[in-house]
Formats: sequence, structure tokens, C-alpha cells
Amino acid sequence: DTEVTQTPKHLVMGMTNKKSLKCEQHMGHRAMYWYKQKAKKPPELMFVYSYEKLSINESVPSRFSPECPNSSLLNLHLHALQPEDSALYLCASSQVGLAGGPADTQYFGPGTRLTVL
Amino acid sequence: AQSVTQLDSQVPVFEEAPVELRCNYSSSVSVYLFWYVQYPNQGLQLLLKYLSGSTLVKGINGFEAEFNKSQTSFHLRKPSVHISDTAEYFCAVSEIDSWGKLQFGAGTQVVVTP
Repeated sequence: DTEVTQTPKHLVMGMTNKKSLKCEQHMGHRAMYWYKQKAKKPPELMFVYSYEKLSINESVPSRFSPECPNSSLLNLHLHALQPEDSALYLCASSQVGLAGGPADTQYFGPGTRLTVL
Repeated sequence: AQSVTQLDSQVPVFEEAPVELRCNYSSSVSVYLFWYVQYPNQGLQLLLKYLSGSTLVKGINGFEAEFNKSQTSFHLRKPSVHISDTAEYFCAVSEIDSWGKLQFGAGTQVVVTP
């Protein structure tokens, strides 16, 4: 099973709202990722968690707050977003390699389509 | 740091014709190579990957790719496409020990027509 699930599928929020995106995997992966994808563009890495600890933050604005409560779950908390934050948000997971870095293959979820009004 | 170039932004192709999507990369270290497909309004699905070993790799849905180290290329091919192959295709590179940083190409939109 190589399934990563994401909820909700679609989300519309105002600029003053607080909302959360959820990602779950049951493949035993210990590395999880958040990506942002704008239309007609490739995904851009936002955050990497390894063994439930944040290992990479690609200079993402603080209005995006990631959380990894356990090895299967990854959340992205959203607050005071801007219309330009509207995008497809993708979660991915992978094994962690022997040297402690990520192993080879990332598996992606279906994404959450976010619209900020 | 690595970079990935997908030479074609859009490839129109007739149904049952062959298709080749080109991908070149640059890196100073050894890499893993991937092709992902994204159907409209969906996430990314792994088509195939090269980690080591045989340079010809076969993936899902009849796709295959060949790793050419001297030309730093990883072109994707399918001998006969279907309408359902209409999608965006991303080539991606990960430097070994890169801590999860997949570098994606800009993508190639494949449009299959009858």
C-alpha cells in the first residue's frame, strides 16, 4: 500500500480564518513533507519532518505552521492567509535512509485545493 | 545544487502513437531520478524511478525510461499512448543524502488526441 491521504479535498477560507490541513500515511514512513503547487507549476517544498521533528523549513511565512503529532500524521495550520496563498497543497512521505537522511522515493497524496478569499 | 530541465513544455500526440518526454539534469554528485504524472485536479503519482543498476527502467502504465549518465538524461517513453495518458509529467532529481529535496523540472503537458 502506497497511499497518502489528505483532508479536506477542497477548502475555501477568508483571510481572517484559521484552518488546518491534514495528511495521514500508514506505510511506516518516518519522513513527511508539505509542498505547495501553483497552477501550471511544479511543486515547491515547504517543510520536511524526519522522526516527527522539523528538519527543513524552506523560509515559509509564519502564517503556515506545520505539526507532526505522531509518525503517521502531519498537519498544516493556516492563519491570516493571503489570496496569493491559494494553491494545491500536497503532502508526501518516504522512508528515512540508513544515514539518517531521507530514503529514495516520496509518495504523494491527492492534495488539498485551497482558495483564500 | 542540482537542476532539472524538461525540454518540452507541451507535447501533442495522436492516440496509439509513441511519445518521448525529454529530461536533462545537472548535479555534481550521484542522484536518484524519478518521473511523476499528475492527472487533472489530482496529486502526483510515481511512474518510475532510477536508483541504481540497470539503466532501463520500466514503470506503470507501459512507460519506461533510460538513464544516460554521460548525457545526464532520463528520457521517458511510451510506445503507444492512450487518451487517458493526457496529463502533466514531471521529471525529478534527488541528490543522494539531500535531505528530501526533490528538484522538479517545469513539467511537460501531454495532450493525446484521437
